[in-house]
Amino acid sequence: KNQVEQSPQSLIILEGKNCTLQCNYTVSPFSNLRWYKQDTGRGPVSLTIMTFSENTKSNGRYTATLDADTKQSSLHITASQLSDSASYICVVSEGSGTASKLTFGTGTRLQVTL
Amino acid sequence: KAGVTQTPRYLIKTRGQQVTLSCSPISGHRSVSWYQQTPGQGLQFLFEYFSETQRNKGNFPGRFSGRQFSNSRSEMNVSTLELGDSALYLCASSLLLSYEQYFGPGTRLTVT
Repeated sequence: KNQVEQSPQSLIILEGKNCTLQCNYTVSPFSNLRWYKQDTGRGPVSLTIMTFSENTKSNGRYTATLDADTKQSSLHITASQLSDSASYICVVSEGSGTASKLTFGTGTRLQVTL
Repeated sequence: KAGVTQTPRYLIKTRGQQVTLSCSPISGHRSVSWYQQTPGQGLQFLFEYFSETQRNKGNFPGRFSGRQFSNSRSEMNVSTLELGDSALYLCASSLLLSYEQYFGPGTRLTVT
């Protein structure tokens, strides 16, 4: 069964600090991996999408890495801000990449404090 | 360009009732997908529509149904509501199948 596991489940950091969120998956065949940010009460917003051949992609202070051999991805947040407080969801796409082929992680809840 | 809109944003229903949720995709997008999000399960795929046809359906009971109209707007219906149906229902649109999805703000359904 395809699975996406994220760690940690929750994280509290001080504003200005860096943090790294982890995503391990068993989805096969792999198509792409996406990281989403979901603010409380809102829908997820895409941060990055990476295909098999990409091992790093940045979006401002967010940098995602992908190791397709070990089936691991990480999302690194640099110089965190209060607005980074949200859930971060890792999503892995299988094969055709249609919505039915997406496997969602349960997310990491990040809280940035003063 | 306006984003994905969902109505209503919040809804409270009692067990046994039925509910209809609406989703308007980004202009020009032809694919709409629906998801159920609960704290313990994360996002679970419900259906995917393209050009008014249901292309895929998730592992949900027949009480969950949906449709897509010619203008790409979509509705989902849940009949005979159960307490376990309480969740955030998210709609996402994409230009075509397999393209990047853009999510709406969701409809928070509470069943009492």
